[in-house]
Amino acid sequence: EPEVTQTPSHQVTQMGQEVILRCVPISNHLYFYWYRQILGQKVEFLVSFYNNEISEKSEIFDDQFSVERPDGSNFTLKIRSTKLEDSAMYFCASRGGITGELFFGEGSRLTVL
Amino acid sequence: TQLLEQSPQFLSIQEGENLTVYCNSSSVFSSLQWYRQEPGEGPVLLVTVVTGGEVKKLKRLTFQFGDARKDSSLHITAAQPGDTGLYLCAGVKTTDSWGKLQFGAGTQVVVTP
Repeated sequence: EPEVTQTPSHQVTQMGQEVILRCVPISNHLYFYWYRQILGQKVEFLVSFYNNEISEKSEIFDDQFSVERPDGSNFTLKIRSTKLEDSAMYFCASRGGITGELFFGEGSRLTVL
Repeated sequence: TQLLEQSPQFLSIQEGENLTVYCNSSSVFSSLQWYRQEPGEGPVLLVTVVTGGEVKKLKRLTFQFGDARKDSSLHITAAQPGDTGLYLCAGVKTTDSWGKLQFGAGTQVVVTP
């Protein structure tokens, strides 16, 4: 069964460092998302991406965050200068059609020290 | 305040008992999804409901979408230890783009043998 894959599964970084989280969405999907879940809190929307541009972003997704689809398969989330409060589980998700269902990856745990 | 309120937050029952989890809001949703999330993993989609009053069954799980599309319930019949997990409801507001999910905080279900 097709699935969304994410790497790394866990990354530990120092505050102020740049981090790139990678995702390979399901191959024929067109819409891509990043969500995050701070430990003990609910899953929150960060950004949606379609047709090589951001469709929508939340207040959390400030100038420190960026997304890119550098080739036909990868979808990345970059945090330019990490803060302690960026520590969270980051989930990539994708969907096929306009009203298709969202499929989530297993997540990348980011720990900022 | 949470957009989607899930209740109860925690539910512990014996194998064979029935349980119901509720997801309530004052907002109207285009669709509502139920996910199950295991520790350290991404949410896994169980069902999507889109029509007011809709009822969907998935083996021993019954999902209902309220007539006004503001609330939903998940009912598990004859619960088994394998049903243990965090159940999340997530909805797309009618004013939001499809794929921008608002998540509830989740209901932790524990089924003991």
